[in-house]
Amino acid sequence: AQSVTQLGSHVSVSEGALVLLRCNYSSSVPPYLFWYVQYPNQGLQLLLKYTSAATLVKGINGFEAEFKKSETSFHLTKPSAHMSDAAEYFCAVRGGSQGNLIFGKGTKLSVKP
Amino acid sequence: ETGVTQSPTHLIKTRGQQVTLRCSSQSGHNTVSWYQQALGQGPQFIFQYYREEENGRGNFPPRFSGLQFPNYSSELNVNALELDDSALYLCASSARQQGAYNEQFFGPGTRLTVL
Repeated sequence: AQSVTQLGSHVSVSEGALVLLRCNYSSSVPPYLFWYVQYPNQGLQLLLKYTSAATLVKGINGFEAEFKKSETSFHLTKPSAHMSDAAEYFCAVRGGSQGNLIFGKGTKLSVKP
Repeated sequence: ETGVTQSPTHLIKTRGQQVTLRCSSQSGHNTVSWYQQALGQGPQFIFQYYREEENGRGNFPPRFSGLQFPNYSSELNVNALELDDSALYLCASSARQQGAYNEQFFGPGTRLTVL
């Protein structure tokens, strides 16, 4: 069965600093992996996805993630945080044959001025 | 192109009541999935509808049921509401294609509060 674990429920960085949000996955098949962002009182927006092509995936808003099979990881990074990046971030893995998503518990990112 | 829309935005019900939530899928999408997001948690898959039939279900009891209509819009019905049903309910639509990954696009959600 597929699952994801997000390390750290809350991450705080200074504006301009590196953002690193951690995600480890468990999957019995080659995984499809995703990062979503959720702003307060809004739905989920896809940041990026890994679907077995390039291991370094670039997404929107300057975010990227690297798929590392040996470490079963798919960490999300951004070189320089902006105040507008403050939100909750969810890592997800594709579940059953119908393509449902299995989400982690989320990491809330705070950006200090 | 119109995105995924959900109604109502917010809803307050009392324990034991029934509720219906609605979702209009994005143009060109034929599949709808529903997720429940409890406070402080990630979304959990409830079920998916394709061609007006349930096409997969998560670990939710039968009092959670749904419908999909010929225009691909969908309803989520919850009977005998419990306090733990208080959550944000998210709808996601996708365009199911044979052999291809079907990216899901999420609506803004319906916030349900059960008192």
